[in-house]
This record gives sequence, structure tokens and C-alpha cells, in this order.
Amino acid sequence: GDSVTQMEGPVTLSEEAFLTINCTYTATGYPSLFWYVQYPGEGLQLLLKATKADDKGSNKGFEATYRKETTSFHLEKGSVQVSDSAVYFCALGASNTGKLIFGQGTTLQVKP
Amino acid sequence: GAVVSQHPSRVICKSGTSVKIECRSLDFQATTMFWYRQFPKQSLMLMATSNEGSKATYEQGVEKDKFLINHASLTLSTLTVTSAHPEDSSFYICSATKTASYEQYFGPGTRLTVT
Repeated sequence: GDSVTQMEGPVTLSEEAFLTINCTYTATGYPSLFWYVQYPGEGLQLLLKATKADDKGSNKGFEATYRKETTSFHLEKGSVQVSDSAVYFCALGASNTGKLIFGQGTTLQVKP
Repeated sequence: GAVVSQHPSRVICKSGTSVKIECRSLDFQATTMFWYRQFPKQSLMLMATSNEGSKATYEQGVEKDKFLINHASLTLSTLTVTSAHPEDSSFYICSATKTASYEQYFGPGTRLTVT
């Protein structure tokens, strides 16, 4: 079945460091891919998305490219801030059911 | 916009009682709503999919008699945890999709604590 695998956390970075959170997926069909962010005690917020191969999603300095050849959707940011500290979830939108399948989440902690 | 609200945001109840959680789409009609459960430091587990006017579809392993879902209108779905026990304590999150769209919009979540 469809699945999403994220790199294990926690990831601890200094402010202004470069961020990469790896995400790979297994899917049948042509899924959409998403990154969600969850701040402490809150629900999920959509960070960015890509709906087809080679699309690049971007928002708030974060970006991710839908790579069909490597079945990946890695999240990157050139310079993280303390306010980026949160849990990041990679997700796959199954094209046949509309359900979202989440990775296990990666906790990012950015230190000043 | 696409705003989803949940009420209450936090609830504490005694073991054996029932608790209702509401999920509302505030500025759009939601043909489908999803209910998730999130354990501490873990991912979201889909509990059920709810379509307006029809019975919810539960994921494997989720007790439908314990987690009652009602989707009475295009803007409201409710999750009732019946005869709650401490192991039901969790963070419950709903999401909603617009007509002909797969994108899900999430509510802020409800923290349930059963004592």
C-alpha cells in the first residue's frame, strides 16, 4: 500500500543554518504531495504542496520538489529561524481515495 | 479562505462519560470530513472518513460504536467518544475537503483528557 517515510528526528539546528528534511514515498497512481507543519499544541497547517512530478512547492522560505524518479519530496530551507521550531509532516494524497497518508513527523528545534 | 474550527479545544471528562467534539467548516461547504487521532510525539492516525448525509467509513481497528461520527450538514461533523476511558486520552484533529478537491484543511485539534 501507499506509504510515506520521513527522516527521524529530532533535528537540532542553529539559527540561519540550512535545513533538509528527507521524505520518500511509495504510491500507486499519481499522488499529490504535501508538507504540513504543527506548532506545539496546535493542529496542522499546510506548508506547501505539489500535485505532479517536477512541481516545486514553496512557502515562507521553504521549498520541496516532487521527484518521481527518486520518489522523494525533501523539504529545504536556506536559513532557519527559531520560529521554525515545530513538527513537520510529509504526506501523500492518495489519488483514488482522497485520503492523506502521513509520515511519522520530524521535530525541528532551532536554537538562537 | 478555508477555515476549520473545532470545539472544544480542550476537555477533561471522567471515565465512563461521553464527550462530543464538533468540527465546523466556517467558510466553505465540506463534502468530506476526516477524523484523526494523534498520540504524543507520533503521527496522525486516520480514524474515519465522514461524508455528509451518509454513514462514516471507519479505518480498520477503530471501534465504530465507541467513536460515533455524525455528519449532519455540509459544515458540521461531530465525533462522540462514548464511555470514555483513560486510554482514549489523545489529541483529536478533524479536517475537511471542499467539493471536487482532495486538499484537506485541518482544524486546530481537541485535547481530550479522561480521568
